[in-house]
Amino acid sequence: EVQLVESGGGLVQPGGSLRLSCAASGFTFSTNWMRWDRQAPGKGLEWVANIKQDGSEKYYVDSVKGRFTISRDNAKNLMYLQMNSLRVEDTAVYYCGREDYYDGSPDYWGQGTLVTVSS
Amino acid sequence: QAGLTQPPSVSKGLRQTATLTCTGNSNNVGHQGAAWLQQHQGHPPKLLSYRNNNRPSGISERLSASRSGNTASLTITGLQPEDEADYYCSAWDSSLSAWLFGGGTRLTVL
Repeated sequence: EVQLVESGGGLVQPGGSLRLSCAASGFTFSTNWMRWDRQAPGKGLEWVANIKQDGSEKYYVDSVKGRFTISRDNAKNLMYLQMNSLRVEDTAVYYCGREDYYDGSPDYWGQGTLVTVSS
Repeated sequence: QAGLTQPPSVSKGLRQTATLTCTGNSNNVGHQGAAWLQQHQGHPPKLLSYRNNNRPSGISERLSASRSGNTASLTITGLQPEDEADYYCSAWDSSLSAWLFGGGTRLTVL
């Protein structure tokens, strides 16, 4: 059974930093693109970033470019999202997700971790 | 980055059929299709249909996805109370090198 478990969320002041982690199990982690999506309170889903199997390709939504960094450790089945220069508008539940090997569609998500940026 | 266009809400009666739409362009929906996700309040998203319109294992046969040009559709037949949820479409945009989501459609089963 595919399981994705996020951690690292919390309350941070504007301009601060936070690192989210995603622990994966139940599948061969190194064979899938992985991603982060987020959802602000009462709003829709927004893709944040994704990363290729070997980490050689990374893509980001424009609003986080230069501030967020996605990475992965295939030996530990872990994915990360380093978030710097956080803004109030980054407040959201952040979901770790997997992309299907064959189709590329996002097919599994974790339960999410809440990041609140507030003074 | 511009998103995909979905109607904000759709209301249908019990056991009726609902068709949800998602409009993009030739760089996203028209290029590789759109995935469909369901989200109940307070829960993570759940994949209902891959971009190739196939259903994942365990997804009801009452659901079917299709695409015509730059518009993707999700049809749900025999609506049940548990179908009441938010539905999102998502597609990769080859021009933007970015995943896009629609704004979501809230389906109400009357």
